[in-house]
Amino acid sequence: GAVVSQHPSWVICKSGTSVKIECRSLDFQATTMFWYRQFPKQSLMLMATSNEGSKATYEQGVEKDKFLINHASLTLSTLTVTSAHPEDSSFYICSGQRISSYNEQFFGPGTRLTVL
Amino acid sequence: EDQVTQSPEALRLQEGESSSLNCSYTVSGLRGLFWYRQDPGKGPEFLFTLYSAGEEKEKERLKATLTKKESFLHITAPKPEDSATYLCAVQASDTGNQFYFGTGTSLTVIP
Repeated sequence: GAVVSQHPSWVICKSGTSVKIECRSLDFQATTMFWYRQFPKQSLMLMATSNEGSKATYEQGVEKDKFLINHASLTLSTLTVTSAHPEDSSFYICSGQRISSYNEQFFGPGTRLTVL
Repeated sequence: EDQVTQSPEALRLQEGESSSLNCSYTVSGLRGLFWYRQDPGKGPEFLFTLYSAGEEKEKERLKATLTKKESFLHITAPKPEDSATYLCAVQASDTGNQFYFGTGTSLTVIP
């Protein structure tokens, strides 16, 4: 149990275009989902916290108009990178939080974004 | 300020050579400490949750322990397939649902 999927697993796009990444919790309801960014050989950097049905909370330094997050249901959150630029190239990982005594986070497999 | 520090940054072991990874933390009110395994190009895979000092969890060759200041991930008789980056994260009572991640320990097990 506690499986999270992401789609697509990788994407290559031209500079200036927008890219949408989907994150789904397949076998549990995730009232909270998180979006992370990870650079090579570095740890996860939290970008934003998204609660179902409400606006996402962004970490300091993360542009909310550039990284649009929607959490429309208990099993789906989307991250849209708007007007992508080469510096947005990175590995994006989402997680769903299962409501329990420990509130574990379960991670998706990640999406590799390359902006040309 | 809440902090999570993992050591060593990298560890090379011979197959069968047991060792321990460390995760030190300073948070205001620990709600949970989590261990994950991450393979290159993949998302972190959940391993353990520890909630209170003295707690221990085991899974195959891995055993996680927790004190009031740190957690250890003990690897007994590792195999090459245990090679991965091991991440530690903590959840604190003053930061809601957020996790604070350490920078990880990159483990390589040599046949």
